[in-house]
Amino acid sequence: EDQVTQSPEALRLQEGESSSLNCSYTVSGLRGLFWYRQDPGKGPEFLFTLYSAGEEKEKERLKATLTKKESFLHITAPKPEDSATYLCAGTYGKLTFGQGTILTVHP
Amino acid sequence: DTAVSQTPKYLVTQMGNDKSIKCEQNLGHDTMYWYKQDSKKFLKIMFSYNNKELIINETVPNRFSPKSPDKAHLNLHINSLELGDSAVYFCASSTPLDNSGANVLTFGAGSRLTVL
Repeated sequence: EDQVTQSPEALRLQEGESSSLNCSYTVSGLRGLFWYRQDPGKGPEFLFTLYSAGEEKEKERLKATLTKKESFLHITAPKPEDSATYLCAGTYGKLTFGQGTILTVHP
Repeated sequence: DTAVSQTPKYLVTQMGNDKSIKCEQNLGHDTMYWYKQDSKKFLKIMFSYNNKELIINETVPNRFSPKSPDKAHLNLHINSLELGDSAVYFCASSTPLDNSGANVLTFGAGSRLTVL
C-alpha cells in the first residue's frame, strides 16, 4: 500500500528559529510529491510540487527539497504567521496524504 | 469570488438521519473530489468525478452517494448516518487527471459533520 509518513507530528519553534519538516514516501510508482498548508477551519492550500530527486522549490521562507526516499520542507527564520499544519502528499495516480505536521511559531 | 465553495460549513445531526453536502467550483476544472479528514487529520480520498463521470471510488460504504449534475458541481449524500461518519468533508477540484496524476488540487473550506 502506498504510504506517506510525516515527522514530527508537532513542532514548536521560536520566531526566527529555522527547522525542517520531514516526509518519507513509498518510492515505487511515485509521480509527484506535493506540499500543502492547512490553517485551522480551512482547506489545504497548495505550496509546491516536486517531481524528481534533487529538485528544489522556494516560496518566501519555505523551501521544499526531494531525495529518492523523502522530502523536506525547510523553514528559514519562521514568523508566527507560518503557524499551520503542513501536509505532504504523494501521487500514485491519486493523492495519498501524510498525517501532517502541526507547526507553531511563538513570537 | 470563492473558487471552491461548500455548504453547509457545519452540520449537526442524529444517527440514522440522511444529509447532503453541496459543492460548487468556478475554476472551470473538469475534475472534482470528495475527501474525508478524520480526527487525526488524515485526508483520505472518497470519490473523484471527471466531467460528471465517476473515475475514483474508494472503499466507502454504500450509504455515501456522490452526484455530479454538471462539471461545476459535486454533491455528497449520506444515508443512515453513523457516529463514525463524524469528520470534516472537503470538496476539491483540479485540472483533468492525466497519466502523471500530478494535478494541483484546490480545496474548499470543508464541511464539519457531527453525528450525535
